[in-house]
Amino acid sequence: AQSVAQPEDQVNVAEGNPLTVKCTYSVSGNPYLFWYVQYPNRGLQFLLKYITGDNLVKGSYGFEAEFNKSQTSFHLKKPSALVSDSALYFCAVRDGIRSSASKIIFGSGTRLSIRP
Amino acid sequence: EPEVTQTPSHQVTQMGQEVILRCVPISNHLYFYWYRQILGQKVEFLVSFYNNEISEKSEIFDDQFSVERPDGSNFTLKIRSTKLEDSAMYFCASSAPGDRNQPQHFGDGTRLSIL
Repeated sequence: AQSVAQPEDQVNVAEGNPLTVKCTYSVSGNPYLFWYVQYPNRGLQFLLKYITGDNLVKGSYGFEAEFNKSQTSFHLKKPSALVSDSALYFCAVRDGIRSSASKIIFGSGTRLSIRP
Repeated sequence: EPEVTQTPSHQVTQMGQEVILRCVPISNHLYFYWYRQILGQKVEFLVSFYNNEISEKSEIFDDQFSVERPDGSNFTLKIRSTKLEDSAMYFCASSAPGDRNQPQHFGDGTRLSIL
């Protein structure tokens, strides 16, 4: 079965410093990996995805993620954090078994807190 | 940028009552989904819908739940007889043709409170 794990409930970073939010995955077949962000009282906003190709994928708001097949990881990164990046971040994997209308399986979420 | 819209933003219902949550997916999208998030817990898949039928449903999506696309634009989730444990945020999502390569776009959710 497909699954993702986010080992950190909370990550605290000072503004201007680099940030990393960790994610590991377990899939059968090719992984379809995503990061979403959730701001208070809002839905989930798509940040970036890995399907195939370059291991480093770039997304919205200056975020990027590195796909590492040997470590089965897909960590989210940003070189310089902003206070406005404070939110709840979800790593997710698409169920690659079905050919259509395939569900997303979410990790438990990591709360990112950026202090000024 | 086109968005998925959900109404109402907050629904308060007595236990045992029926509730309908409404969603308007992005117009050219073909795949539709409902997820829920109980307070403090992870986002859970409920059901996916394509070509006017359910593609997949989770264990949560029992006989009390149903989905419908009544008019080509709305996508609804009905809970026939609500229980206290149905209290959660319910998110609608849609994705474009190409499905697995396409991200799912989420609405802002409906907070369902069962009293």
